Amino acid sequence: GAVVSQHPSWVICKSGTSVKIECRSLDFQATTMFWYRQFPKQSLMLMATSNEGSKATYEQGVEKDKFLINHASLTLSTLTVTSAHPEDSSFYICSAQGGSTEAFFGQGTRLTVV
Amino acid sequence: AQSVSQHNHHVILSEAASLELGCNYSYGGTVNLFWYVQYPGQHLQLLLKYFSGDPLVKGIKGFEAEFIKSKFSFNLRKPSVQWSDTAEYFCAVSSLNTDKLIFGTGTRLQVFP
Repeated sequence: GAVVSQHPSWVICKSGTSVKIECRSLDFQATTMFWYRQFPKQSLMLMATSNEGSKATYEQGVEKDKFLINHASLTLSTLTVTSAHPEDSSFYICSAQGGSTEAFFGQGTRLTVV
Repeated sequence: AQSVSQHNHHVILSEAASLELGCNYSYGGTVNLFWYVQYPGQHLQLLLKYFSGDPLVKGIKGFEAEFIKSKFSFNLRKPSVQWSDTAEYFCAVSSLNTDKLIFGTGTRLQVFP
């Protein structure tokens, strides 16, 4: 299957700082990318959908000013957690979709805010 | 709103045992159904999917799932599990007019030799 690379795999940051997570589709063009958040022992919760070249669509309850999403090219989307706080600590996963209906997932990023 | 329920949170089996993981969804319209697997330290991978047609779907690694519309269910089965099937399994649903996936909480499967 197609490969989606997410970077970094884990990050620790201080409270109040911003963290950027990258999601790249390595061997296909991703017209749509999705960002999920997963709490321990819980489901993957969809945060936002981004289409290349347009603004991301956020799910209800997700602060768009806090979780900035940029999908500047067909192979890269970034999620920036701004002014991170300990409650933002979580596992963030991206997925990418090209022409087919199948979504391919990154390996996830473990964010810990101290 | 759509939702997906996976009632088995943690399943422990011996090798060669049969497996069935439950998945129920709530949505009034037509849906696409998926099972994903996440092996330790790896990405989520698609096991199988149902869009239309034969409600019994066969996936990779000997897994299959049956869509029962009247029960809003899409249970995953494997007749004989292996130690290498130890992983987290997620059921997911999307509606026809969107690519957004709604996931269940996942089921952790441990298979002992």
